[in-house]
Amino acid sequence: DTAVSQTPKYLVTQMGNDKSIKCEQNLGHDTMYWYKQDSKKFLKIMFSYNNKELIINETVPNRFSPKSPDKAHLNLHINSLELGDSAVYFCASGSIYGYTFGSGTRLTVV
Amino acid sequence: GQNIDQPTEMTATEGAIVQINCTYQTSGFNGLFWYQQHAGEAPTFLSYNVLDGLEEKGRFSSFLSRSKGYSYLLLKELQMKDSASYLCAVRDEAGGSYIPTFGRGTSLIVHP
Repeated sequence: DTAVSQTPKYLVTQMGNDKSIKCEQNLGHDTMYWYKQDSKKFLKIMFSYNNKELIINETVPNRFSPKSPDKAHLNLHINSLELGDSAVYFCASGSIYGYTFGSGTRLTVV
Repeated sequence: GQNIDQPTEMTATEGAIVQINCTYQTSGFNGLFWYQQHAGEAPTFLSYNVLDGLEEKGRFSSFLSRSKGYSYLLLKELQMKDSASYLCAVRDEAGGSYIPTFGRGTSLIVHP
C-alpha cells in the first residue's frame, strides 16, 4: 500500500504537447509538493499546496500548473512542453516531522 | 530563501565511519532534514533535527547547531549499500511558508 504514488513512471512526448502527471497520498498529510530534479540531481521545489494556499516558486514557468481535486491528490499539468522540461518530477507530501516522496516520473521531451 | 552547502562527493571504505557536513543560511529556521537517494529512486527520509544536539538512529546520526548554521550526518559501519546521494534540506518559515529546500546533495561512494 504505497504512501505516495505517482503515475506514470515514464513519460516520453513531443515538444508542444500537453501532459499531466498524477499524484495521490494516503498519509493524511495536509500539504503536498512538486519537485523537479534535473540532470545534475538538484531537487528544486516547484509548488507547495494545502487546502488553503498554493505557493509557487517564481522561477517556474506558467506552463506548469498544479490541480488538486481533493486533499489527497495534487496533479501536475504541463502545457506546450519544451526540451528543457525533460527531468524527473517528484511528488511529495509532508508533515512537520518529514516528507515522503513518490517514486518519480521521468519525463523526456523529444 | 536558504543557501545550503554540502560537499559534492565523498569516498569511504566499507566498515568505516563517514561524516557529511551541511551548512546553511536561513532567515527563519524551522527544521533540518537528511535524505538518502539511490540512483534512479526517490529520496527516503533519514532524520529530522529542530533542536541543537545529536539524534541517533541505528547506524545513522544527525547533529545540529542552529547558532552555527551547521549540521552533519554521521554514518557508522559503512556498507556497500550506503553508496548513494545524501541530501540536506532546510525548512524555512519566512513569509509564512514552510517549504523544505534541498542542497545539491553529497554523492557517497563506499568501496571495499
